[in-house]
Amino acid sequence: AQSVSQHNHHVILSEAASLELGCNYSYGGTVNLFWYVQYPGQHLQLLLKYFSGDPLVKGIKGFEAEFIKSKFSFNLRKPSVQWSDTAEYFCAVSTSFSGGYNKLIFGAGTRLAVHP
Amino acid sequence: DTGVSQDPRHKITKRGQNVTFRCDPISEHNRLYWYRQTLGQGPEFLTYFQNEAQLEKSRLLSDRFSAERPKGSFSTLEIQRTEQGDSAMYLCASSLTSATGELFFGEGSRLTVL
Repeated sequence: AQSVSQHNHHVILSEAASLELGCNYSYGGTVNLFWYVQYPGQHLQLLLKYFSGDPLVKGIKGFEAEFIKSKFSFNLRKPSVQWSDTAEYFCAVSTSFSGGYNKLIFGAGTRLAVHP
Repeated sequence: DTGVSQDPRHKITKRGQNVTFRCDPISEHNRLYWYRQTLGQGPEFLTYFQNEAQLEKSRLLSDRFSAERPKGSFSTLEIQRTEQGDSAMYLCASSLTSATGELFFGEGSRLTVL
């Protein structure tokens, strides 16, 4: 079965620190990859997505992620975090096995706390 | 607001009672999904509709759970004879029929079973 692993459940950073959140998936075929963010009290929102082409994708609010096919990874990065980045971050994957209808499989999430 | 809306936002019930949640997707979206999220976990897929047709149900969805989307617009998720293990956030999402894969989520309905 397909699965998504997020390495860190909790991350605490100071403002201006660099961020990297790990995400690995288990599926050998074609994948679509996503990072969603959930700010406190809000709904899940798409941060960025990868379908094909340039493996380095840029999303909103200065986030980017790199797809490394050989490592089955899609790590999220931001060079300098802000207090407003405090949120929970979810990596998700949809695959050709999903039947082509965008069923997303999510990781367990990483809770990021940024201190001023 | 033209996003996905869910009602109620919070439901507290006693074990054994039935509960129903409603989801109104973004109006032009023909795909609708239900997910369940428990503390410390990511959303888990429950079921999916393409218009009014329910095309897949997860094994997580026991016989006590039923979902409908009668006219291809709003959807309901009913849980019969609730159990404490049903306590979770129930998320609804919608999307267009396309390859982009972006799901738009509602704020969820939190169920607490006492």
